[in-house]
Amino acid sequence: AQSVTQLGSHVSVSEGALVLLRCNYSSSVPPYLFWYVQYPNQGLQLLLKYTSAATLVKGINGFEAEFKKSETSFHLTKPSAHMSDAAEYFCAVTNNNAGNMLTFGGGTRLMVKP
Amino acid sequence: KAGVTQTPRYLIKTRGQQVTLSCSPISGHRSVSWYQQTPGQGLQFLFEYFSETQRNKGNFPGRFSGRQFSNSRSEMNVSTLELGDSALYLCASSIEGAATEAFFGQGTRLTVV
Repeated sequence: AQSVTQLGSHVSVSEGALVLLRCNYSSSVPPYLFWYVQYPNQGLQLLLKYTSAATLVKGINGFEAEFKKSETSFHLTKPSAHMSDAAEYFCAVTNNNAGNMLTFGGGTRLMVKP
Repeated sequence: KAGVTQTPRYLIKTRGQQVTLSCSPISGHRSVSWYQQTPGQGLQFLFEYFSETQRNKGNFPGRFSGRQFSNSRSEMNVSTLELGDSALYLCASSIEGAATEAFFGQGTRLTVV
């Protein structure tokens, strides 16, 4: 069984400030972890993924995430928020036993203040 | 390269009716998964098809069904619609393997009245 918990359903930051979105996972086997972004009335777009290579993963639009096995975490960060980053972000987990079935966290809505 | 295409984008149905949603995956992708997104339950996995076979199934009632054709296009069907079936239905396609990226369509917004 696998699960994902995203702490904070809403996060608000000022433009130019650090973005930190939290994700903790549970998986009985080595996980693959993903961060997706969703803009209003759109599907999901992949930001980055961890697939057991480097623990620090860099993605698109300046986002990165670090896989910490001891903390079962995969937090998403961006050094400087931009207005265009306002969206909903989803952390997801899968593993080699789950085919292409993704288990998603509840999502975090990021708001960026000017 | 064309992305994942879902049709229709919007749909309004009456309680008790049935509905069929369509998904055309990216060319060369053999895996198609379906997800239901609602404000209350978030993103929930419905089922996955690979090479015309259902490979994984989520915890949804039998009113929800799907199939995949030889060209990898997929359809999902919901029978005897209930108000609670109102949701955004997302389709995702992948090449193969859990570590590969899932590409999502824009979804079909189903409203049941």
